[in-house]
Amino acid sequence: SQELEQSPQSLIVQEGKNLTINCTSSKTLYGLYWYKQKYGEGLIFLMMLQKGGEEKSHEKITAKLDEKKQQSSLHITASQPSHAGIYLCGADTGTASKLTFGTGTRLQVTL
Amino acid sequence: DTAVSQTPKYLVTQMGNDKSIKCEQNLGHDTMYWYKQDSKKFLKIMFSYNNKELIINETVPNRFSPKSPDKAHLNLHINSLELGDSAVYFCAIGSGANVLTFGAGSRLTVL
Repeated sequence: SQELEQSPQSLIVQEGKNLTINCTSSKTLYGLYWYKQKYGEGLIFLMMLQKGGEEKSHEKITAKLDEKKQQSSLHITASQPSHAGIYLCGADTGTASKLTFGTGTRLQVTL
Repeated sequence: DTAVSQTPKYLVTQMGNDKSIKCEQNLGHDTMYWYKQDSKKFLKIMFSYNNKELIINETVPNRFSPKSPDKAHLNLHINSLELGDSAVYFCAIGSGANVLTFGAGSRLTVL
């Protein structure tokens, strides 16, 4: 099984709807990172969470870290077509200079 | 100027051939990575270099040989290509806090 499981694997939402993507780790988290990948492109860094209970927001995207549950969630409010892409969580599980990525969530936003 | 540039963007080759993918960065960061993304979009670390020294080698077959001639370059050479090597290979640069800047990827297709 993967160290980092994301759910759902894929998601289709109507423009304007809210959505949540979850990331669960089988190991202790020392840091959790969210990235977005547009189709055919590289990953773009979104947010970094390092403390339990930490919550960060950027525009309409909010991410939270539940350290005890070894989980993070990414919430998008009032989704737009520009939010479409693959969202990947990355975890620092204690090995220096190594970021392990989750299984990815493919988001489509319909008009 | 692109911070992380990879060449070529697309590579189609026959089984058994040897090929190289090049990565160049102009951010001045010490840590460089190669990641492999398979057809299911799962992103897995292959190698990590810090200041031209190999830090991480994730049980990658020895047909894959990374080379870092200087801090700005990390090239990936693959010998005796196999069908299973078909994937998108991403070069990434680390700032020391696991915040990675990715290249646009090199799609390798082995026929």
